[in-house]
Amino acid sequence: LAKTTQPISMDSYEGQEVNITCSHNNIATNDYITWYQQFPSQGPRFIIQGYKTKVTNEVASLFIPADRKSSTLSLPRVSLSDTAVYYCLVRGRGKSTFGDGTTLTVKP
Amino acid sequence: NAGVTQTPKFRVLKTGQSMTLLCAQDMNHEYMYWYRQDPGMGLRLIHYSVGEGTTAKGEVPDGYNVSRLKKQNFLLGLESAAPSQTSVYFCASSRSGTSGGFQETQYFGPGTRLLVL
Repeated sequence: LAKTTQPISMDSYEGQEVNITCSHNNIATNDYITWYQQFPSQGPRFIIQGYKTKVTNEVASLFIPADRKSSTLSLPRVSLSDTAVYYCLVRGRGKSTFGDGTTLTVKP
Repeated sequence: NAGVTQTPKFRVLKTGQSMTLLCAQDMNHEYMYWYRQDPGMGLRLIHYSVGEGTTAKGEVPDGYNVSRLKKQNFLLGLESAAPSQTSVYFCASSRSGTSGGFQETQYFGPGTRLLVL
């Protein structure tokens, strides 16, 4: 299973764009990259997933370079409610590897 | 549609006691997973199942057993609880492992807090 590495914590202010990078040097050919968000006392919630290049949905963008050894989650114009732990997940068939997560704190 | 539910929400055990955690999903998902999350850490996969009647080991399977007798249920058992098993346990399910090459989203339950004294 590919191991992921993320910054332990990040601080931001309301209205800013936040970029969280995840390193996954040993990613396998069939592995996809998924990001989850977790609030205290809740289970993780899916944000976005991608395989290569760029993926965008209504809440975030995911940038994956050609070598796929890293990925960057981009949250546009964060608000206080975006304060949470963000996990980068590299998934192979039937198995999942969560990183230690990045605690994002959004300040007013 | 309740999604993924977990029973119980909280439990205190004494060392050596046994218990079973129940996970149920009403989305007709094929895949189900059990994770544990220790304070300040990410989730670690204990066991998973790719379909009714099948189970497989994850990252940290020791001290746990699982069963998937029905498609909608995934049970996690602790035969002899140890203080090191104090954690929050999350169950998740997904429609399948892959769908046209794209990995399926996992849906998580609210968690079970277990304290082993």
